[in-house]
Amino acid sequence: QVHLVQSGAEVKKPGASVTVSCKASGYTFTDSFIHWVRQAPGQGLEWVGRINPNSGGTYYGQKFQGRVTMTRDTSISTAYMELSRMRSDDTAVYYCATQQHNGDHFDDWGPGTLVTISS
Amino acid sequence: EIVLTQSPATLSLSPGERATLSCRASQNVSDYLAWYQQKPAQAPRLLIYDASNRATGIPARFNGSGSGTDFTLTISSLEPEDFAVYYCQQRNHWPVTWTFGQGTKVEIK
Repeated sequence: QVHLVQSGAEVKKPGASVTVSCKASGYTFTDSFIHWVRQAPGQGLEWVGRINPNSGGTYYGQKFQGRVTMTRDTSISTAYMELSRMRSDDTAVYYCATQQHNGDHFDDWGPGTLVTISS
Repeated sequence: EIVLTQSPATLSLSPGERATLSCRASQNVSDYLAWYQQKPAQAPRLLIYDASNRATGIPARFNGSGSGTDFTLTISSLEPEDFAVYYCQQRNHWPVTWTFGQGTKVEIK
């Protein structure tokens, strides 16, 4: 079955960058898109962006344009999300999730990575 | 960009009761709508996709319905493990984005 393992919690200072990884197993990595969704403390879900592991093509949420970069390494079935120039309101749990090519929903989710921005 | 509005914000019910959750889209999304369940300190879990299809392993007490702009998630008889927050989600085709509703919390009365 699909299994997504994310990197550990991070604490960063304002203005810094963070990279979160998502290692996939249990399926062919290039057969599903990888999305990143975040959730600030006590808040709802917010879509950050998507990467096509096959082509490397990306879509980013307008709010994150210019600050987010999504990449992948197909040799190790891992997707990455880098967020730069971080602010206190970027404090959130960041989830990776898969989307199969024949749907517009998120089938499987990683456990989440807490990123805390604090001076 | 399509906006999803969920109601009510909170639903207070007892185990065994029926729960009816609503999700309204600001534009026609056909039947491309999904529902997720999230429990505290856990990742969301897919319940329903394409408005009415249960995901693998989801109990039959969860039912999705609707099309166009009005959608409903019904839990026929609440089990203790069903008390959680529920989100609806759809995809915008231009700009290409994915959107969530703000969530409905189903709490024990």
